[in-house]
Amino acid sequence: NAGVTQTPKFRVLKTGQSMTLLCAQDMNHEYMYWYRQDPGMGLRLIHYSVGEGTTAKGEVPDGYNVSRLKKQNFLLGLESAAPSQTSVYFCASRSPGDNTGELFFGEGSRLTVL
Amino acid sequence: RKEVEQDPGPFNVPEGATVAFNCTYSNSASQSFFWYRQDCRKEPKLLMSVYSSGNEDGRFTAQLNRASQYISLLIRDSKLSDSATYLCVVPSGGYNKLIFGAGTRLAVHP
Repeated sequence: NAGVTQTPKFRVLKTGQSMTLLCAQDMNHEYMYWYRQDPGMGLRLIHYSVGEGTTAKGEVPDGYNVSRLKKQNFLLGLESAAPSQTSVYFCASRSPGDNTGELFFGEGSRLTVL
Repeated sequence: RKEVEQDPGPFNVPEGATVAFNCTYSNSASQSFFWYRQDCRKEPKLLMSVYSSGNEDGRFTAQLNRASQYISLLIRDSKLSDSATYLCVVPSGGYNKLIFGAGTRLAVHP
């Protein structure tokens, strides 16, 4: 059971470079989320999606773009990376009919921007 | 005011101690709340859900105070394995978004 898979798990970028983080889930979940976590801080919501073809901004969306072309995939893009985007990125998914509040997380992607 | 605020911690307690964390939220319309546990360098995992007045699961008790807009997590008879960061989570935007608090770190020592 793969659950939620994030790729890549580690990446080092130079300032100004672009990259895309891929999140794939095999649980047929409608809702998908991208969070970032910095030292001493909780998870902050970047963008989220409540279904294929729809996305919405979270708490800290600036500098990121997302796409949900397929239900199982949620892509997070950095067009021009900045050192402030050095962080651990977590993708998560859940079913809208599930009121337990359980988010299924990937293992995280550690991004360093030099 | 932040949507979700937690005790900053860290809490350093001996094995067997009882410890409690608080979390305040700003959205009075929120109906359900959640506690997640996060081990070092791992992804968060759901610990407990709180829907009405509270919830109990073994050594863990979560309570909700709607009037004061806070939830609490009580851990009795602390174990070394309870050492982790505990994250308070509150739905927002009609339950579409789940907003995390900054987390409270617990360290249980022998």
